[in-house]
Amino acid sequence: DTGVSQDPRHKITKRGQNVTFRCDPISEHNRLYWYRQTLGQGPEFLTYFQNEAQLEKSRLLSDRFSAERPKGSFSTLEIQRTEQGDSAMYLCASSPPGTGVNQPQHFGDGTRLSIL
Amino acid sequence: EDKVVQSPLSLVVHEGDTVTLNCSYEVTNFRSLLWYKQEKKAPTFLFMLTSSGIEKKSGRLSSILDKKELFSILNITATQTGDSAIYLCAVNKYSGAGSYQLTFGKGTKLSVIP
Repeated sequence: DTGVSQDPRHKITKRGQNVTFRCDPISEHNRLYWYRQTLGQGPEFLTYFQNEAQLEKSRLLSDRFSAERPKGSFSTLEIQRTEQGDSAMYLCASSPPGTGVNQPQHFGDGTRLSIL
Repeated sequence: EDKVVQSPLSLVVHEGDTVTLNCSYEVTNFRSLLWYKQEKKAPTFLFMLTSSGIEKKSGRLSSILDKKELFSILNITATQTGDSAIYLCAVNKYSGAGSYQLTFGKGTKLSVIP
């Protein structure tokens, strides 16, 4: 049983560049979530997909951020014109179908983004 | 605004000690409370609690929820160095249109020394 897979594990880039991260959820999990975690803080919710539909976006998700899940399987998170404040760990989680209350989210190992 | 507050923020104990980690919350449309353990990478799921007063147990770890007083505790007995980690409390809320999200506390950093 493979877990949530994220790629790349680390990304170092210069300010102003665009970056894209990929998340492959656990097989048959139709719910997919993106979170951002900075040092000393708990993860903060960014966005949620049910199948291919993006049902919610946090206020934290500025217009430089975009997420997709085109076929309801893997998802991508793109950050355009990166800024220093974007440096963080980006975590992806997934959960199976059913009522949300009964299904815990399972997390990937994250992509650590460092902006130079 | 939704809030999840964990205490203490850090804790240092000796192997064999028992610890209690606290989590209080103020979250609209509460659905469940979850505990995760985070070492260097992904938060690992420990427990999900939906009903008051029912203790969940897994080995040396146990947790209970009080929905009236809006808090939960995580107990670890006979601590081992492998228990050293950040323990995250999260509340699952329904935010409408079929959407759920977790609101996390800052975590409790537990260090167990031999």
